[in-house]
Amino acid sequence: AQSVTQPDIHITVSEGASLELRCNYSYGATPYLFWYVQSPGQGLQLLLKYFSGDTLVQGIKGFEAEFKRSQSSFNLRKPSVHWSDAAEYFCAVGSFGNEKLTFGTGTRLTIIP
Amino acid sequence: SQTIHQWPATLVQPVGSPLSLECTVEGTSNPNLYWYRQAAGRGLQLLFYSVGIGQISSEVPQNLSASRPQDRQFILSSKKLLLSDSGFYLCAWSKAGARYEQYFGPGTRLTVT
Repeated sequence: AQSVTQPDIHITVSEGASLELRCNYSYGATPYLFWYVQSPGQGLQLLLKYFSGDTLVQGIKGFEAEFKRSQSSFNLRKPSVHWSDAAEYFCAVGSFGNEKLTFGTGTRLTIIP
Repeated sequence: SQTIHQWPATLVQPVGSPLSLECTVEGTSNPNLYWYRQAAGRGLQLLFYSVGIGQISSEVPQNLSASRPQDRQFILSSKKLLLSDSGFYLCAWSKAGARYEQYFGPGTRLTVT
């Protein structure tokens, strides 16, 4: 069975500082990996996705994530955060032939001036 | 382009009353459809998913049910609401056979009083 762990429940970052949100997955074969962002009271928006190939993937809003098979990780990064990045971030894992995604419990990001 | 609609946006219902939430997708055919619930401060819980008209898979036993009367319409129902049914309900869709990245609707905030 596939599973996802987001070890950080809440992270606070100063505006302009760099950001890294952690995501670890458990799955025997090559997973499909996703990062979503949710602003308060809104639905989830897909930030980026990894299926195969280049392990560093670029997404929307200046985000990127790196797939590291040896560490079973897919961490989300941004070099300089903006106040508008304050939101909840979810990592998710899928697999070939499985219609369902497994979501992590989310990391809430707070931006301070 | 594809769009997903959910209504109503907010709903306040007394305990024991019925429920009907609707989700429709435009711009695609034969999508996979999903219902999630998000309790306050919690992650996403998959409730139901459907890979075709009349095909519903239930993930969690509860007093909710789902139906898919048309290809791009997904309905979440209950005959008698419980206080524990309060939460944020999200509908999502994915392309069948397209690695299952999911796209979410704006959500419905349900408060059971």
